[in-house]
Amino acid sequence: EVQLVESGGGLVQPGGSLRLSCAVSGLTFSTYWMSWVRQAPGKGLEWVANIKEDGSEKYYVDSVKGRFTISRDNAKNTLYVQMNSLRAEDTAVYYCARLNLVVNDAFDIWGQGTMVTVSS
Amino acid sequence: SYELTQPPSVSVSAGQTASITCSGDKVGNKNACWYQQRPGQSPVLVIYQNGKRPSGIPERFSGSNSGNTATLTISGTQAMDEADYYCQAWDSSTVVFGGGTKLTVL
Repeated sequence: EVQLVESGGGLVQPGGSLRLSCAVSGLTFSTYWMSWVRQAPGKGLEWVANIKEDGSEKYYVDSVKGRFTISRDNAKNTLYVQMNSLRAEDTAVYYCARLNLVVNDAFDIWGQGTMVTVSS
Repeated sequence: SYELTQPPSVSVSAGQTASITCSGDKVGNKNACWYQQRPGQSPVLVIYQNGKRPSGIPERFSGSNSGNTATLTISGTQAMDEADYYCQAWDSSTVVFGGGTKLTVL
């Protein structure tokens, strides 16, 4: 069974940092692009970042550039996002998701999400 | 930056056909996909490459994409289809989601 399990969310003060993890099992992690997508409370989906299979290419939404860093450890089948200089508007559920060429680069598998709350 | 626009809400009577639109500049030149998100759950891919269904998605879900509008169509809508629906496309190397449409089944 394919599973994506996020962890690391929690309450953090504005300006603080947090690192989220996404443990992947049931698939060959190193052969897929991966992404982070977030959803603020009561709002829609917002793509955050993508990372290539080998980590050599990374792309970010403008609002997180310079503050967030996506990375992966293919030996540990784990995706990460390091979030620095957090703002109230970063408050959201953060999902990791698999990008799959078979479905034309759509997100075909999602984790259950981890909540990040930025508040003093 | 590229934008995709969806109506905030659509209502449909059970058994009827629901259509949810997704507007964007020349979106017909891109591959659009659609996600269903039920309350408290993670999104699920229901349509990819404009009109293809992943394994396990009922045949009542279909999609089309032309010009400036992509459309998700649900035929014979059931109560279980009540959810939020999001369109998505690629703009160069970045991903764009529509704002989402809440589908209410009456």
